[in-house]
Amino acid sequence: QKEVEQNSGPLSVPEGAIASLNCTYSDRGSQSFFWYRQYSGKSPELIMFIYSNGDKEDGRFTAQLNKASQYVSLLIRDSQPSDSATYLCAVIPNRDDKIIFGKGTRLHILP
Amino acid sequence: DAGITQSPRHKVTETGTPVTLRCHQTENHRYMYWYRQDPGHGLRLIHYSYGVKDTDKGEVSDGYSVSRSKTEDFLLTLESATSSQTSVYFCAISDVSSGLSGYEQYFGPGTRLTVT
Repeated sequence: QKEVEQNSGPLSVPEGAIASLNCTYSDRGSQSFFWYRQYSGKSPELIMFIYSNGDKEDGRFTAQLNKASQYVSLLIRDSQPSDSATYLCAVIPNRDDKIIFGKGTRLHILP
Repeated sequence: DAGITQSPRHKVTETGTPVTLRCHQTENHRYMYWYRQDPGHGLRLIHYSYGVKDTDKGEVSDGYSVSRSKTEDFLLTLESATSSQTSVYFCAISDVSSGLSGYEQYFGPGTRLTVT
């Protein structure tokens, strides 16, 4: 059974601090990794994707991929109250084109 | 915005009645997906389509059928709704065109379905 695991939270972070969200996956051959943000009552919104080992930065967001340890993380710098949401990690396993979603981590930015 | 709309946005129906949810996209994306999202389960794939009249089952397809007679429309039908199908349903698209790699999925606004 291919799995994507996330801590459900809530993760509380002071405004202006760095929020660190983590995700582990079971299929060692996985190639494609995604982070979605979902506000309460809204649909998931793609905010980052990463395909290679290392870091990928986009504005205040950095995705980090470590295939050897089978984890992917999302860092949010200078956290804002508007970052409060549920963050979904998603993975496309090798030899399978159907994306698998984690159950999400709730992030709460404290003003 | 990937030009995706879903209808209806909210629906309450009774057990045993048929229900059809519609996903409409305006940008000729090849791949379309139906998911349901439930507390404690996250997003689960119901069915997907890789072209007109080409569909396949996902993880939780029992009790659901789909049709895609036109590129822009992907219909999800609950033949006889049950209370266990109360959920939020999301449509998504992906494609290898217009700057998309084929792997990223973009979601519609969702349909909240309640089966009483």
